Amino acid sequence: GQSLEQPSEVTAVEGAIVQINCTYQTSGFYGLSWYQQHDGGAPTFLSYNGLDGLEETGRFSSFLSRSDSYGYLLLQELQMKDSASYFCAAPHNTNAGKSTFGDGTTLTVKP
Amino acid sequence: DVKVTQSSRYLVKRTGEKVFLECVQDMDHENMFWYRQDPGLGLRLIYFSYDVKMKEKGDIPEGYSVSREKKERFSLILESASTNQTSMYLCASSIGKNTEAFFGQGTRLTVV
Repeated sequence: GQSLEQPSEVTAVEGAIVQINCTYQTSGFYGLSWYQQHDGGAPTFLSYNGLDGLEETGRFSSFLSRSDSYGYLLLQELQMKDSASYFCAAPHNTNAGKSTFGDGTTLTVKP
Repeated sequence: DVKVTQSSRYLVKRTGEKVFLECVQDMDHENMFWYRQDPGLGLRLIYFSYDVKMKEKGDIPEGYSVSREKKERFSLILESASTNQTSMYLCASSIGKNTEAFFGQGTRLTVV
C-alpha cells in the first residue's frame, strides 16, 4: 500500500516563501505529483517529479529525494491567490489518474 | 483546454435511492477515475477505467458501481444511497502514461 503525510495547515505572509513537505511510504514508487485546489474548485495539476531533484515552474518548485522518501513543494513570492489546499500524490504506476493522495495542506496567505 | 464535466454541482438524495453521478471528458482520454473527497481524508479512489466497458476497483469500492459504455463518459452509481456516502465526488481523466490528471469541478452529494 501507499501512504503520504503532509502538514494539515501552513500560514505565511504575502511575498514570503513557503515549503510544504510530503513524506511517503509505498510498496512501489513511480514519482510524486502536486495538485492545487481552491475552495470549491477542482484540483489542478502543478508538477510531477519522476526523478530526484528540483523541478521549477515559475514561482513554484517541487523537489524529490527517493532515498529519503520525501518531497516538497516550494512556493515563492507568495500571493493572496495562492491560498488553497495543496495535495501531494503518488501514482500507483505510470498512469497519473490512479494515485494515492495525501490529506492535503491548507495554505493561508496573509497580507 | 481539457474539460472534465460533472453533471451536477450539488445533489440531495434520500437514503435508499439509486443515484447516478455522470462525468464527461472531451479530450479522448482513455483513463477515467472517480474519487471521493472528505475533510481531513484527502482524495480516495473509488473506481477507475482504462477503456470502454472496462472497470477496476479502487481503494473504497464498497457501495458503489460504475459504468463506461462510451469512451468519453464514466458514471458512478450508488445502488442504495446511505448517509455515510455524503461527500464530494470528483471525476478525473488522464491520457496514456501521462503524469497529469484532469479533474472535474466535483459533485457535492448529500444523502438525507
